[in-house]
Amino acid sequence: QQQVRQSPQSLTVWEGETAILNCSYENSAFDYFPWYQQFPGEGPALLISILSVSDKKEDGRFTIFFNKREKKLSLHIADSQPGDSATYFCAASLGGSGTYQRFGTGTKLQVVP
Amino acid sequence: NAGVIQTPRHKVTGKGQEATLWCEPISGHSAVFWYRQTIVQGLEFLTYFRNQAPIDDSGMPKERFSAQMPNQSHSTLKIQSTQPQDSAVYLCASSAGLGEGAETLYFGSGTRLTVL
Repeated sequence: QQQVRQSPQSLTVWEGETAILNCSYENSAFDYFPWYQQFPGEGPALLISILSVSDKKEDGRFTIFFNKREKKLSLHIADSQPGDSATYFCAASLGGSGTYQRFGTGTKLQVVP
Repeated sequence: NAGVIQTPRHKVTGKGQEATLWCEPISGHSAVFWYRQTIVQGLEFLTYFRNQAPIDDSGMPKERFSAQMPNQSHSTLKIQSTQPQDSAVYLCASSAGLGEGAETLYFGSGTRLTVL
């Protein structure tokens, strides 16, 4: 049972466009949502995260929009660059100790110059 | 800080053989996690330790998989009688362990296991 779902599976955008990656989750108790970026041959690395008390989080060109009622969130990458080409994973968890992060299946982003 | 170190980077085994994967967490981190990555399933949680004690192994296939953390500087994942469906990238991650659910996970580069 996939508790975190991501779409699309792959996405291609032109350099300079905004890429939009979608994520949804099953458990309404989840309250921490990190996004990880993974390049080939490397492990995922935290990109940006949001807590469920917020509906938006910005960090430079990266913005998370969060809709608690619909159990959905999205990652917007503005002014996409070829260096942003990677796989992006949405994760969700219960905050606090004794728990772990559940991951989606990822969105592979390609930014074309 | 060398980050999370996983060895070997690649491992090829024959069907039915045993595979042992190693992980050295970031020094000072008290939580260690194991995930399995495949194209179809994404990152699947396997198990995790805090202060070397097993906390949750709900993702571990029960019969052939086992994990240990004998000391704070390394953890192992052992797969007995490997099967082709075990082929995947096995990722180890560590975190500070102050509240694992909302902590940053620091991943190693993974071990790519291929079972022929």
